[in-house]
Amino acid sequence: GENVEQHPSTLSVQEGDSAVIKCTYSDSASNYFPWYKQELGKRPQLIIDIRSNVGEKKDQRIAVTLNKTAKHFSLHITETQPEDSAVYFCAASKSGTSYGKLTFGQGTILTVHP
Amino acid sequence: DGGITQSPKYLFRKEGQNVTLSCEQNLNHDAMYWYRQDPGQGLRLIYYSQIVNDFQKGDIAEGYSVSREKKESFPLTVTSAQKNPTAFYLCASSILGNTEAFFGQGTRLTVV
Repeated sequence: GENVEQHPSTLSVQEGDSAVIKCTYSDSASNYFPWYKQELGKRPQLIIDIRSNVGEKKDQRIAVTLNKTAKHFSLHITETQPEDSAVYFCAASKSGTSYGKLTFGQGTILTVHP
Repeated sequence: DGGITQSPKYLFRKEGQNVTLSCEQNLNHDAMYWYRQDPGQGLRLIYYSQIVNDFQKGDIAEGYSVSREKKESFPLTVTSAQKNPTAFYLCASSILGNTEAFFGQGTRLTVV
């Protein structure tokens, strides 16, 4: 089955700096890659996603890049703010009989210091 | 925060007891999922269902059972066979296909 590895497990930055979180996946058939943000004690919420037919997607301060050949994708947050502090999860899924079944990475605890 | 509701928010179980976690959604989603969250391990899939009266085992199904008698409901039973049930449980739903999963607010289960 699919395996998703996420790095780093913790990331500490100063307000205004950029943050980058990287994930690799094992199943070349995976074609959907969402990123979720989970604040302490809250539910995970989708912040951005990308499909395998594009290499990059941006939404204001957040961007995701995908390299299908290398089977990795990354989350980029620019001009970080203290409210960006949370746990971030990457995930992967594919079409087919198990479609919609997300495999998650281990999570990255991002701390943005004022 | 509407759409998918889990109850209770906190649950305490004695060893040897079965407990059932509730998950209800009004999003008209066909697919529903149960995930377990432990520190440092991300979210691991327990069971998922794509249609009423059908469900599939995920990666860590041992010691758990589910039912899908109604489209809106996907309860999870944590049985006494689950050796380490203390965790945060998240229910999610989505439309069929590769798309966003919407999560409930979670149930924190503690064995006492």
